[in-house]
Amino acid sequence: KNEVEQSPQNLTAQEGEFITINCSYSVGISALHWLQQHPGGGIVSLFMLSSGKKKHGRLIATINIQEKHSSLHITASHPRDSAVYICAAERNYGGSQGNLIFGKGTKLSVKP
Amino acid sequence: GAVVSQHPSWVICKSGTSVKIECRSLDFQATTMFWYRQFPKQSLMLMATSNEGSKATYEQGVEKDKFLINHASLTLSTLTVTSAHPEDSSFYICSARDQESSGNTIYFGEGSWLTVV
Repeated sequence: KNEVEQSPQNLTAQEGEFITINCSYSVGISALHWLQQHPGGGIVSLFMLSSGKKKHGRLIATINIQEKHSSLHITASHPRDSAVYICAAERNYGGSQGNLIFGKGTKLSVKP
Repeated sequence: GAVVSQHPSWVICKSGTSVKIECRSLDFQATTMFWYRQFPKQSLMLMATSNEGSKATYEQGVEKDKFLINHASLTLSTLTVTSAHPEDSSFYICSARDQESSGNTIYFGEGSWLTVV
């Protein structure tokens, strides 16, 4: 079993739909990251969470530390949101921050 | 804003040759950088942690003599794939954390696609 599990693996939505991507992890973490990877490979950091909820534009990320679960929500989805969304758990050992364990990603396709 | 620049974006090399990939933090100093590898349809996997002024820390299963990492300054880490083989063809990406920023943000390079022929 992977230490970071994401679901769904693939997601197709119509423009305007509300989207939820889930992430469960089994390791102790100092933070949980949501990343966006476009077809060319480049990765953008969307959120870093250690508790609660964060919002940026149409994106919302939540985390429940007790349940070891996080969700990424996209409101009013748009075709330009099409990308792979990756959940990554940040381990904190030996003082080394930034050491991430990645989920396999959720490939999102938003149709016009 | 802070940017991590990675070069080259694409590289094709012959089997047996070496190729160097650079990772630069443009607006901040990074004492630690991370190198990841991603095979097609697989998740990103940490290869090694690059430490400025000291030896890199490699993950289990990553050959340190094959993947040479040098972090000679606070803004530059390099990954050299030595004696490259076709199975080394992959997407390599680096990251660094801007610890001076309010959000302690992690930035990723653009990634490097390596094809060994």
